[in-house]
Parts: sequence; structure tokens; C-alpha cells
Amino acid sequence: NAGVTQTPKFRILKIGQSMTLQCAQDMNHNYMYWYRQDPGMGLKLIYYSVGAGITDKGEVPNGYNVSRSTTEDFPLRLELAAPSQTSVYFCASSYSPFEREESYNEQFFGPGTRLTVL
Amino acid sequence: QQQVKQSPQSLIVQKGGISIINCAYENTAFDYFPWYQQFPGKGPALLIAIRPDVSEKKEGRFTISFNKSAKQFSLHIMDSQPGDSATYFCAASIGDYKLSFGAGTTVTVRA
Repeated sequence: NAGVTQTPKFRILKIGQSMTLQCAQDMNHNYMYWYRQDPGMGLKLIYYSVGAGITDKGEVPNGYNVSRSTTEDFPLRLELAAPSQTSVYFCASSYSPFEREESYNEQFFGPGTRLTVL
Repeated sequence: QQQVKQSPQSLIVQKGGISIINCAYENTAFDYFPWYQQFPGKGPALLIAIRPDVSEKKEGRFTISFNKSAKQFSLHIMDSQPGDSATYFCAASIGDYKLSFGAGTTVTVRA
């Protein structure tokens, strides 16, 4: 299994440009997440999805959009990029908290996309 | 505002020493407290987790201590090794999925 994969690894955008960060998982996880990581701030949840066709906002959704047309893929769209969106973006996936007998619902993270907006 | 406050921001420990990282939370509805470990250039990975019905969880050299009345929990790394040098994040959630992360602690283990 490849786990959670993200593309691209690095990207530089100009202010006002748009782009889509790709995320895919091959673990048949229903739950998927997008986080951003800024120095000294930890990880902040942008959007999450509990299954194909169902998405919801996290803590910092402004400036982003998501879609979930399949179980495997969860792309993050940046419209009108701004310098404040310079960050490292992580996609993660997990089982539903209710579908496994294990005590803890581990989130599996991808390797991240480092985005710079100039 | 940070729902989970983590300290210290960084620490340096000698090989064989003990690393202690502390976290505090306000939301008493949190029922899941994981710790994630992140190496440079990698995504975080689950290290150990605890629920509020136990006061301590140990896995190898890593121990979580949980104080429900004080709304605090901590990670202890015993016999720290150079391979433990990483950034550690505490987190909390209601229902195991919408995690609120602390700001992170960078641990450096000196040989």
C-alpha cells in the first residue's frame, strides 16, 4: 500500500493564482482531512470529509475549497492565492471512529506539500 | 485561539535523559488525546494516545500522564535516544477525528 500520497511536493504561486493540491489514499478510509502547518502554530484543520460527497469546514477554511467525488481522492483547491496561504499542507485519512474495534482512531498523514505564495 | 496549549516550544536533552512535554486544554468534552511525532520533511505519525478514563498509558519508552481534574496531560520520553529527535505534537478531540493540535515541541537529543 502506498498509504496517503500528495502532489506536488513543492509549489510556488504568484498572488492571485489558483491551484489544486492532490491527495489520494489506498487504505479504503472513509474519513479524510486537510491540515496546514505553520511554524510555531501546530496543525490547523482546513476541511474534512466523512465519505464521498460529504465535506465540512474545519478551523481555518477561508480561501480554500474541497470536493470528494470518490473514497480515494480528496483534492484541496486554492482560489486567488494570498501570501497568508504560504504553508505546508498535509492530507490525512482514517477509518470512521465507529467502524473499527481498535481503541484509537489513527490518522495517517501524507508527506506534505510545501506551498509558497509570492 | 489554541484549544490545546503545549510547552515547552523546544528542549534539549542528553542521551539517556528524560524528555517531558506538557499540554493543557480547556474543553472538558475532549475525549481523545493523542501524541504525534514528526521528523523533518515528513508527515506526523501517531505515537501514543490516551482516553480520559485512565491516568497513565505506557508504550515502550513513551508514557502519557493524564490529569483530568487539572485538564493537563504530558508525554514522558524515558532513556531518550538520538533517534527520538523530532517535533512532538499533542492533540485533543471529541470523537476521535477533528483533532485540535498543540503548537509542537522540538526535541533534540544530544549524544
